[in-house]
Amino acid sequence: GQNIDQPTEMTATEGAIVQINCTYQTSGFNGLFWYQQHAGEAPTFLSYNVLDGLEEKGRFSSFLSRSKGYSYLLLKELQMKDSASYLCAVGDSNYQLIWGAGTKLIIKP
Amino acid sequence: NAGVTQTPKFRILKIGQSMTLQCTQDMNHNYMYWYRQDPGMGLKLIYYSVGAGITDKGEVPNGYNVSRSTTEDFPLRLELAAPSQTSVYFCASSNRDRGGETQYFGPGTRLLVL
Repeated sequence: GQNIDQPTEMTATEGAIVQINCTYQTSGFNGLFWYQQHAGEAPTFLSYNVLDGLEEKGRFSSFLSRSKGYSYLLLKELQMKDSASYLCAVGDSNYQLIWGAGTKLIIKP
Repeated sequence: NAGVTQTPKFRILKIGQSMTLQCTQDMNHNYMYWYRQDPGMGLKLIYYSVGAGITDKGEVPNGYNVSRSTTEDFPLRLELAAPSQTSVYFCASSNRDRGGETQYFGPGTRLLVL
């Protein structure tokens, strides 16, 4: 079956760094996506990895290892507005996105 | 450029009633999707469309129907609403590019079936 695992909840301190992990088992692989979803709002796109390695975009970076079925999202210099859920999604062999349940990130002052 | 719009924002239905959730995108995207999101769960694909006149079932299609008569519109129909359909419904659209796609989401419709 197809499966995406990520931690349910994480807590971090304002100004610190946090790493949110995602492991996946899917039929085929056509890219890994990270989305941010604030409470009561729609998901918004953060990053896309299709090749192994690190993609950096400002305070956010995303890493992919296809051989390990593993990705992480790294958030630096945390701000209160980063409090949200972070969704990992993988494109399968039919180019459909398989979604993880999301990681709720709580930022404390 | 409004992106993806959905109406209504919130609706309460009685068991057995029917309704249509509207979705419109103005980005000329070929692909459109309907998801439901239950508390603490990932997004589940209900139906999707790869272009006008073409629709296909996703992971959880039972109790729903869709149509795609134009590129812009992708309405979702609920027939005989049931409490299990209480959820938040998101419509999304995308253009596939080099095998990858970024999906753009509407604001969601919160549906309560009592």
